Amino acid sequence: AQSVTQLDSQVPVFEEAPVELRCNYSSSVSVYLFWYVQYPNQGLQLLLKYLSGSTLVKSINGFEAEFNKSQTSFHLRKPSVHISDTAEYFCAVTGGFKTIFGAGTRLFVKA
Amino acid sequence: EAGVTQFPSHSVIEKGQTVTLRCDPISGHDNLYWYRRVMGKEIKFLLHFVKESKQDESGMPNNRFLAERTGGTYSTLKVQPAELEDSGVYFCASSQTNSPLHFGNGTRLTVT
Repeated sequence: AQSVTQLDSQVPVFEEAPVELRCNYSSSVSVYLFWYVQYPNQGLQLLLKYLSGSTLVKSINGFEAEFNKSQTSFHLRKPSVHISDTAEYFCAVTGGFKTIFGAGTRLFVKA
Repeated sequence: EAGVTQFPSHSVIEKGQTVTLRCDPISGHDNLYWYRRVMGKEIKFLLHFVKESKQDESGMPNNRFLAERTGGTYSTLKVQPAELEDSGVYFCASSQTNSPLHFGNGTRLTVT
């Protein structure tokens, strides 16, 4: 069985500041790891994924996440956030056929 | 390509009534999933179809929920009779094998 823990339910941050959204997981099998984002009034969109290979993965809008197997973590980071990054972010783990989601972290970017 | 489409986007029904949610996956995606998010909590897995067959329905809350996937294309999720605790956002997702999920915009169900 898998589980996902997102340690912060809400993260307020000022524009242009760095941010880290934390995600830890547990699984008895090999997993794929994902971050999804939900902007207001929209569905979930894939932000980035780790399937294999390099443990550092990046999105096209400046986010990155690093798979750390020893710490069972997949934290999401961005060095400088924009107002438009305000959204809810979900960490997800796929083991076998099932994808399990964390509770989500609401990122509020303030001017 | 068209994305995953869910209908309706919102539904408000009274306790005891029946509601049917529909999901049209991306064409060619064999895998179809239903998830539910209640009151800002985590997105919970309900069930998984591979084509028309139920691969895993371990997340279905009880027998008031019935999911079907006719001919391996679109899927419906029926709640009968609806209870207050069924309120939430129901997400559908589809994928190819070993690929990330593509989500619809969800159906917000409110049971009064």
